[in-house]
Amino acid sequence: AQSVAQPEDQVNVAEGNPLTVKCTYSVSGNPYLFWYVQYPNRGLQFLLKYITGDNLVKGSYGFEAEFNKSQTSFHLKKPSALVSDSALYFCAVRDDYGGATNKLIFGTGTLLAVQP
Amino acid sequence: KAGVTQTPRYLIKTRGQQVTLSCSPISGHRSVSWYQQTPGQGLQFLFEYFSETQRNKGNFPGRFSGRQFSNSRSEMNVSTLELGDSALYLCASSSTGGGATYNEQFFGPGTRLTVL
Repeated sequence: AQSVAQPEDQVNVAEGNPLTVKCTYSVSGNPYLFWYVQYPNRGLQFLLKYITGDNLVKGSYGFEAEFNKSQTSFHLKKPSALVSDSALYFCAVRDDYGGATNKLIFGTGTLLAVQP
Repeated sequence: KAGVTQTPRYLIKTRGQQVTLSCSPISGHRSVSWYQQTPGQGLQFLFEYFSETQRNKGNFPGRFSGRQFSNSRSEMNVSTLELGDSALYLCASSSTGGGATYNEQFFGPGTRLTVL
């Protein structure tokens, strides 16, 4: 079964410093991986995806993620954090139950706190 | 284009009642999925519709049901509400059917259901 793990419940970083939010995956085939962000009392906003191609994926708001097949990881990164990046971040993988589906399996989420 | 809209945004019900939540996908999107978000269980998949057909269902009791209309709008219904049904219910739409071509899902702001 497909799954993703986010090992950190919370990440603290100072404004201006680089940030990394970790995600590892377990899939039976080729992974379709995603990052979403959720601000308080809001739905999820799409940041970026990896389906195939370059291992470094660039997304919205200056975020990028590196797909590493040997380490089964898909870490989210940003060179310089902003206070406004403080939010809940979810890693997700598309389910592969044998048929066409848009179902996503989400990690438990990582709360990013950027201190001014 | 307008985003995914969900109505109502907030709902308070008592145990035993039933509730219907509505989701209007992005124009042109035929795929709609529903997720339940709670602090304890995180984001869990409820069901998925494509062109009025339910093609995937999560591990929820039969009290949870849904449907999709010919204009792609979707509703979900929860009967005989329990306290544990209190959650944020998120709807997501996608332009693709989740087969070989896969595009990201876009989420609505959610409906916050409180069961007293």
